[in-house]
Amino acid sequence: KTQVEQSPQSLVVRQGENCVLQCNYSVTPDNHLRWFKQDTGKGLVSLTVLVDQKDKTSNGRYSATLDKDAKHSTLHITATLLDDTATYICVVGDRGSALGRLHFGAGTQLIVIP
Amino acid sequence: EAAVTQSPRSKVAVTGGKVTLSCHQTNNHDYMYWYRQDTGHGLRLIHYSYVADSTEKGDIPDGYKASRPSQENFSLILELASLSQTAVYFCASKTANSDYTFGSGTRLLVI
Repeated sequence: KTQVEQSPQSLVVRQGENCVLQCNYSVTPDNHLRWFKQDTGKGLVSLTVLVDQKDKTSNGRYSATLDKDAKHSTLHITATLLDDTATYICVVGDRGSALGRLHFGAGTQLIVIP
Repeated sequence: EAAVTQSPRSKVAVTGGKVTLSCHQTNNHDYMYWYRQDTGHGLRLIHYSYVADSTEKGDIPDGYKASRPSQENFSLILELASLSQTAVYFCASKTANSDYTFGSGTRLLVI
């Protein structure tokens, strides 16, 4: 059973617009949550890590929230650029150590058009 | 700059043949992982290793073997490739206090 659900599955926005990606999960325990960006044909690049019960992070035009009570996270992208076109993957880690399991969502495919 | 390099970038294999996917990291990381990505699904862990000469089974190890001959190198071996093993394979490395570094992936097509 899928333990990390992302929505929408795909999204098209115009350059300069803002967008919000959603992640709901059922992983227990939920030690931390990561958002990755995957360009077509490339590996995953970490955008941010959220750890606290109710957490917020900011990394340039990317900002993210985590609510462990609701088991829900959001990724906000402000003033999108064409280079933001990629798949964004939500990942929940069940432990803080490197031996903990990562549970991957299927990703949201974002397409930014001129 | 820390890097994980996978080879080959893509491969076509015949059913029943042996396939070896290679991964090399220059991060000096202890932990290395092999994942597979199927269209429309999240990555799934096949094998991992936390020290040279030792490997551990992940969530979907059946049909795969792994080898960690040195800290830098981690291979994934398909002794008898099957159609269901067509996927994109990612290698990653990590140390206790670092973030994950992923390779660019190997696209494997089994025919």
